[in-house]
Amino acid sequence: DAGVTQSPTHLIKTRGQQVTLRCSPKSGHDTVSWYQQALGQGPQFIFQYYEEEERQRGNFPDRFSGHQFPNYSSELNVNALLLGDSALYLCASSLASGVNTGELFFGEGSRLTVL
Amino acid sequence: AQKITQTQPGMFVQEKEAVTLDCTYDTSDQSYGLFWYKQPSSGEMIFLIYQGSYDEQNATEGRYSLNFQKARKSANLVISASQLGDSAMYFCAMGPYGNNRLAFGKGNQVVVIP
Repeated sequence: DAGVTQSPTHLIKTRGQQVTLRCSPKSGHDTVSWYQQALGQGPQFIFQYYEEEERQRGNFPDRFSGHQFPNYSSELNVNALLLGDSALYLCASSLASGVNTGELFFGEGSRLTVL
Repeated sequence: AQKITQTQPGMFVQEKEAVTLDCTYDTSDQSYGLFWYKQPSSGEMIFLIYQGSYDEQNATEGRYSLNFQKARKSANLVISASQLGDSAMYFCAMGPYGNNRLAFGKGNQVVVIP
């Protein structure tokens, strides 16, 4: 049973560029959340997708956008990259109906470096 | 809004000893869930244990137990019989009940020494 998988694992971009990160949820999960983890900090919630729609959003600018596909996989897009966007981006998957059970699993993350 | 506070400095723990990691929280929600995750240097957040605010008994998962004191708004993690593989960052997190939008603390660094 595959867990949450993310790609790419590492990438380097320059300021002003755009990046797309991908996430496949754990088998059977239908909800995907994205988090940003800066160095030395805890993860911060970016947004959550369910039924191909953004359901919740954290305090992130519109440069951060996402998408969920019919197979529940998801993409995170960041436009006009800033140096401060350098971070580990974590994807978490869960069942919408399972939110009261603590079943929320994370992938290994995509480490983005902006130069 | 939720706030999680983890203020302990990095900890060195002797192998086979128990360790307690402190976590306090603040929320205006009446019902909520509390989580602990382990993050090794690889970066993956590994789920350890979950406690619902309405659960009367403290959660346990193998060597992990959560000491939940609702009135004090604390949710400390206890790791019994530490192993070398327990060396990692540990994060406390919480979210409103029925909602997996989590707020995380800054983490506790644990190093287990032989």
